[in-house]
Amino acid sequence: DAKTTQPNSMESNEEEPVHLPCNHSTISGTDYIHWYRQLPSQGPEYVIHGLTSNVNNRMASLAIAEDRKSSTLILHRATLRDAAVYYCIPSPSGTYKYIFGTGTRLKVLA
Amino acid sequence: DTAVSQTPKYLVTQMGNDKSIKCEQNLGHDTMYWYKQDSKKFLKIMFSYNNKELIINETVPNRFSPKSPDKAHLNLHINSLELGDSAVYFCASSQDLPGGIGNTIYFGEGSWLTVV
Repeated sequence: DAKTTQPNSMESNEEEPVHLPCNHSTISGTDYIHWYRQLPSQGPEYVIHGLTSNVNNRMASLAIAEDRKSSTLILHRATLRDAAVYYCIPSPSGTYKYIFGTGTRLKVLA
Repeated sequence: DTAVSQTPKYLVTQMGNDKSIKCEQNLGHDTMYWYKQDSKKFLKIMFSYNNKELIINETVPNRFSPKSPDKAHLNLHINSLELGDSAVYFCASSQDLPGGIGNTIYFGEGSWLTVV
């Protein structure tokens, strides 16, 4: 299983972009990179995923390094509701087992 | 309509008791899971069922017994509760394999278990 390294915590001002980094240097060639977040007192929720190309959806963008050893989740305009723990999860195809690391706790300042 | 629902949301019980947490998903998914989040906020998978068959059983004491009466339900029964079982238990579901191309896992809101 690929290991991940994420900052324990980050802060952002409201309405500003946030870049949440993740190192996954042991990722294998077929592992997708999934991002989930966990809002306070809730279960984790899906944010975005990708393999090699950068990806965009209504919640965020995912920038994947060319060597795939790192990725960055980008929230274009952070809101107070984005305060959560963000998890980066390299996920092999064909597995039932997601391994959640310690994640990054994002604090958004009004 | 809640996609993955768990009951009860909060449960306080004494050591030695037996308790159950129920989970239902209305997404038509084939695979369901139980995750445990301890006081340090680590989220770990406990069990996974696919089409009512157990496919993942992590190193969990056999006091924990999951039961899947049908694809839409996965209940967790815990015997002889211990203080260390205090945690938040999350039920989840996905359409078949969650990894790879991105079958998303949908989580319930959690069941807060406190053993006193």
